Amino acid sequence: GENVEQHPSTLSVQEGDSAVIKCTYSDSASNYFPWYKQELGKRPQLIIDIRSNVGEKKDQRIAVTLNKTAKHFSLHITETQPEDSAVYFCAASRAGGGNKLTFGTGTQLKVEL
Amino acid sequence: DADVTQTPRNRITKTGKRIMLECSQTKGHDRMYWYRQDPGLGLRLIYYSFDVKDINKGEISDGYSVSRQAQAKFSLSLESAIPNQTALYFCATSDDRSYEQYFGPGTRLTVT
Repeated sequence: GENVEQHPSTLSVQEGDSAVIKCTYSDSASNYFPWYKQELGKRPQLIIDIRSNVGEKKDQRIAVTLNKTAKHFSLHITETQPEDSAVYFCAASRAGGGNKLTFGTGTQLKVEL
Repeated sequence: DADVTQTPRNRITKTGKRIMLECSQTKGHDRMYWYRQDPGLGLRLIYYSFDVKDINKGEISDGYSVSRQAQAKFSLSLESAIPNQTALYFCATSDDRSYEQYFGPGTRLTVT
């Protein structure tokens, strides 16, 4: 089955700096890659996603890049703010897999003032 | 997101007890999922259901069972709870056109 590895497990940045979280996946048939944000005590919520026919997608301060050849994708957050502090999860899903997601182990991002 | 609800929100139970966690949704989605979250391990899929008559095991189904009573309801049971089932449990839903999953608020289960 699919295996998703995520790094780093913790990341601390200064407010205003950029943050990058990286994930690799094992199943070359995977074609959908979402990123979820989970604030303390809250449920995971989708913040951005990308499909395998696209190399990059942006939404204001966040962007995701995908390298299908290397089977890795990354989340980029620019101009970080304290409210960006949360746990971020990457995930992967394959076509025909019934929307079934395999999640990475999460990255605890801390944005320091 | 009040569209996906879970009961109870917190539960403490003893080893060997049977316990049921319930999930309800008003989103009209056909697909429902149960995950458990453990520190450092992320979200792992326990069971998923594409409709009332379609139940599938996920990567960690041992020790768990599920019931899809209706399109809107998906229950997770621990027949005989053990301490290593102590975790945060999330229900999620999606429709058959979108990959996005909508999560419930979670149930924190402690098995002593």
